[in-house]
Amino acid sequence: GQQVMQIPQYQHVQEGEDFTTYCNSSTTLSNIQWYKQRPGGHPVFLIQLVKSGEVKKQKRLTFQFGEAKKNSSLHITATQTTDVGTYFCARGSNYQLIWGAGTKLIIKP
Amino acid sequence: DGGITQSPKYLFRKEGQNVTLSCEQNLNHDAMYWYRQDPGQGLRLIYYSQIVNDFQKGDIAEGYSVSREKKESFPLTVTSAQKNPTAFYLCASGPQGPQPQHFGDGTRLSIL
Repeated sequence: GQQVMQIPQYQHVQEGEDFTTYCNSSTTLSNIQWYKQRPGGHPVFLIQLVKSGEVKKQKRLTFQFGEAKKNSSLHITATQTTDVGTYFCARGSNYQLIWGAGTKLIIKP
Repeated sequence: DGGITQSPKYLFRKEGQNVTLSCEQNLNHDAMYWYRQDPGQGLRLIYYSQIVNDFQKGDIAEGYSVSREKKESFPLTVTSAQKNPTAFYLCASGPQGPQPQHFGDGTRLSIL
């Protein structure tokens, strides 16, 4: 019931194409956080969304929180090689975070 | 320069041996967390602590132990009871509650 489902597991794109990852929950989320983990690195916090319908942008990254607060998405416009890594969503639950399985962004050679 | 320091970066464990992973933070955060990450997988919570001298089990606490004697420190011991310890271990800290977390660089543990 508290899990967050994140899809897809992998996404292969050509450099310059867009990328989107989705995070879904069967229950209402109090907040949703997004993190990026570069290959061999550690997760780095990107953003937190708390309001219904919220949209936030960071340069080429657009984060959305659904109107019902049960889903969220991260969209990257015109991917670059520096975007490679795994993107995780995480929901707040009591005193901890419940993590999605992550979406790995792979740039095709 | 504030942050979280994990050591060692790489660690090898012999059969039947307990090993301790260090995690120190100077961010003045109340809460600290230990996660395990297997190759190509997400993060699984081992233990967490919201305040000094108190900690709670996460989803995969069996075979692990922790202590929180100081606000800055949250060491993790991987005991011999953990039969499959090979993984990437990540320590994180943050304000109390489900707030954004700041991670260390991790420790990679392998069995000899």
